[in-house]
Amino acid sequence: EIVMTQSPATLSVSPGERATLSCRASHSVSSYLAWYQQKPGQALRLLIYGASTRATGIPARFSGSGSGTEFTLTISSLQSEDFAVYYCQHYNNWPYTFGQGTKLEIK
Amino acid sequence: QVQLVQSGAEVKKPGASVKVSCKASGYTFTSYYIHWVRQAPGQGPEWMGVINPSGGGTGYAQKFQGRVNMTRDTSTSTLYMDLSSLRSEDTAVYYCARGRYALDVWGKGTTVTVSS
Repeated sequence: EIVMTQSPATLSVSPGERATLSCRASHSVSSYLAWYQQKPGQALRLLIYGASTRATGIPARFSGSGSGTEFTLTISSLQSEDFAVYYCQHYNNWPYTFGQGTKLEIK
Repeated sequence: QVQLVQSGAEVKKPGASVKVSCKASGYTFTSYYIHWVRQAPGQGPEWMGVINPSGGGTGYAQKFQGRVNMTRDTSTSTLYMDLSSLRSEDTAVYYCARGRYALDVWGKGTTVTVSS
């Protein structure tokens, strides 16, 4: 199975600043990579699929890049509602696997 | 609107089984695979498996092989996830999620607590 590794585990950023989150796959997943946001007590919300395509209704401040084994999620200007946990997940084949998450907290 | 509505919380004893349901609405039931993902307290999500509502074919994570069974009822657009031989480590929130590829619609989750 493909292991997804996210870094950092926690990221402290001030509102209005840029946040950059990383995700690495143990084997190539091509562009079959998604990013999700999760707030406490809620289900995951799809942000990005195909490594770089925003899901329906996701603001343009969220962007994804990368292919193969290295991926990045960038939030260009953090809003208060963006402080949450972010997960990457590959869907190149079964079993799908998730990273352990990056907690984005207010600095 | 597209929705996945899950059954309510469950409390089970070790060794028992649990069956979680997920009722789909707002889209063509047979057009999207349904995945089951669980999340233990304070942990990341864990993919359990997938079912094709069209033919009923399934794929399970090796960790759950022999213990999980995913089924569907096309007459009611409902999916089911059955997990047997429960142990304390199975305490988690169980989600169903729709996806041909990435998982674009999620249920709100079903909390399963395993405790003696």
